[in-house]
Amino acid sequence: DGGITQSPKYLFRKEGQNVTLSCEQNLNHDAMYWYRQDPGQGLRLIYYSQIVNDFQKGDIAEGYSVSREKKESFPLTVTSAQKNPTAFYLCASSGWREAFFGQGTRLTVV
Amino acid sequence: QKEVEQNSGPLSVPEGAIASLNCTYSDRGSQSFFWYRQYSGKSPELIMSIYSNGDKEDGRFTAQLNKASQYVSLLIRDSQPSDSATYLCAVKSYNQGGKLIFGQGTELSVKP
Repeated sequence: DGGITQSPKYLFRKEGQNVTLSCEQNLNHDAMYWYRQDPGQGLRLIYYSQIVNDFQKGDIAEGYSVSREKKESFPLTVTSAQKNPTAFYLCASSGWREAFFGQGTRLTVV
Repeated sequence: QKEVEQNSGPLSVPEGAIASLNCTYSDRGSQSFFWYRQYSGKSPELIMSIYSNGDKEDGRFTAQLNKASQYVSLLIRDSQPSDSATYLCAVKSYNQGGKLIFGQGTELSVKP
């Protein structure tokens, strides 16, 4: 929705494996965000970025990494250091007066 | 103190009634405020944004902002069963580099 595309919709990770979640936006927004949502819980901020080549840690950055090489793209890597990665991952982008989410990626450890 | 707090739910209202959802925030540097609706298993959907003190209306929804009291609310008039969802309040804080901070959400149930 709102010009933000997350892929894949479902992702399965084996123990000890790194996986990368894609987030692309065509809204010309400067800011992009990654959140994690566990069942029945609220949104927890992982990383956010206001400009290309710069990003800040959120509240739960350990075990995750990001890059912002292009304004349109903000991929999230879930590393093997993240011990409990099973969750619903949401990417958002924001301008001054709007903020939209992608459809989310549901990650499961198998 | 949490940065963004919403009234704890669940909130239950009869069909056709007004539902009132409240949110307070701690950072006085916050400048943009958003309300989202999230259905179970889905991503949040933007309902309204507000950035000036006062009321903003869009159909059955009215957002109210009071920066002096650090308070933002959402009223849903003529509530419908399809409005049953979790409502999320979000605040964009420019003092924190544009961080977009969410409350824990309020679950609304509209009974037919």
